[in-house]
Amino acid sequence: DAGITQSPRHKVTETGTPVTLRCHQTENHRYMYWYRQDPGHGLRLIHYSYGVKDTDKGEVSDGYSVSRSKTEDFLLTLESATSSQTSVYFCAISGDYYEQYFGPGTRLTVT
Amino acid sequence: AQSVTQLDSHVSVSEGTPVLLRCNYSSSYSPSLFWYVQHPNKGLQLLLKYTSAATLVKGINGFEAEFKKSETSFHLTKPSAHMSDAAEYFCVVSDSSARQLTFGSGTQLTVLP
Repeated sequence: DAGITQSPRHKVTETGTPVTLRCHQTENHRYMYWYRQDPGHGLRLIHYSYGVKDTDKGEVSDGYSVSRSKTEDFLLTLESATSSQTSVYFCAISGDYYEQYFGPGTRLTVT
Repeated sequence: AQSVTQLDSHVSVSEGTPVLLRCNYSSSYSPSLFWYVQHPNKGLQLLLKYTSAATLVKGINGFEAEFKKSETSFHLTKPSAHMSDAAEYFCVVSDSSARQLTFGSGTQLTVLP
């Protein structure tokens, strides 16, 4: 398995609070991604990074920001969490032929 | 723009019978195509990938898929289902000009004893 970890694995937070999810890789891959998974929608891309300090928006980026200060870490921040952001969040890294390898996921509940 | 359509949201088979999960894609470029599997409360695992080499692709756990450009299809098959195959399966397309994936909405496979 690709060396990808996510923390925390589970989190419950209140509406309006900031939340940061962390993705850590040991593969030294250049590309990293954040997705959310909701029933009936498959996975949707939130943001991605193509190098340190280089990031771009995905399909569902509103309400989310990201940062990448080191190759191995990619942070996803919800500045002010809303109930619509209750979801399972997956981090991924990119291999040689564009396939991506996924972390174990973070289950976020916003009450 | 690229897109993926998984033609069945749920498929049920009996253990030991063949599995067919259908996927059609749309892409402006020569696509890379993938199948991923997700077991309950787990992350996604890469089953197999097509990257413009052989059109019949073999993956892990006895799965294979055939790329048919004329039909824009990339169906996933397995000759004999096992109980452990019960999971959700995602067909995924990557535009070769970008490193972004587009996911289908998934097919839930149930394997009956």
